[in-house]
Amino acid sequence: AQKITQTQPGMFVQEKEAVTLDCTYDTSDPSYGLFWYKQPSSGEMIFLIYQGSYDQQNATEGRYSLNFQKARKSANLVISASQLGDSAMYFCAMRGYSSASKIIFGSGTRLSIRP
Amino acid sequence: EAQVTQNPRYLITVTGKKLTVTCSQNMNHEYMSWYRQDPGLGLRQIYYSMNVEVTDKGDVPEGYKVSRKEKRNFPLILESPSPNQTSLYFCASSLSGGVSKNIQYFGAGTRLSVL
Repeated sequence: AQKITQTQPGMFVQEKEAVTLDCTYDTSDPSYGLFWYKQPSSGEMIFLIYQGSYDQQNATEGRYSLNFQKARKSANLVISASQLGDSAMYFCAMRGYSSASKIIFGSGTRLSIRP
Repeated sequence: EAQVTQNPRYLITVTGKKLTVTCSQNMNHEYMSWYRQDPGLGLRQIYYSMNVEVTDKGDVPEGYKVSRKEKRNFPLILESPSPNQTSLYFCASSLSGGVSKNIQYFGAGTRLSVL
């Protein structure tokens, strides 16, 4: 069975600091994709970044980067130079090869940025 | 504008009264999916559809029905809603299923309360 674990229900970070949101996953699939989404207080789901299991390099999208450690089965999201607008819920999600139609999400981390 | 449109955004109903939440996408996506979001549980997949007339159960399908008669529409039907179906519902679509970078685009969400 596939599983996503986000162990930080909530985090507080000072503005302009970097922050790492943890995500570990469990799958027996040789091929899978990992996604991070942001959900601000307004409720919409916003795609942030994608990492394929066979990608040679860690994904980066502007201030977002993914610290992908395949052997540890972790896919942590790193936000550099945090901003007040980064305050939101963040979800890690996975799609595995054997059941690529099904997508599982973690329970989320609520990030709060202090001015 | 490329988007996933859900209606209604808010719905209060009573136990047992059948309801339908509509979902439509204008991106010619093959893959569509329904999720429910509950505090502390993240998003859980209810049903998904790989293409027209092809639907399958996600992790929490009990009490829900879907249909995919047209590529753009994927309504969620609650034949006899119960209070435990009170939740925030999201519809999402992506170009296809699969582990490649198939970004899911989400609707704005439907907040359902069943009394």
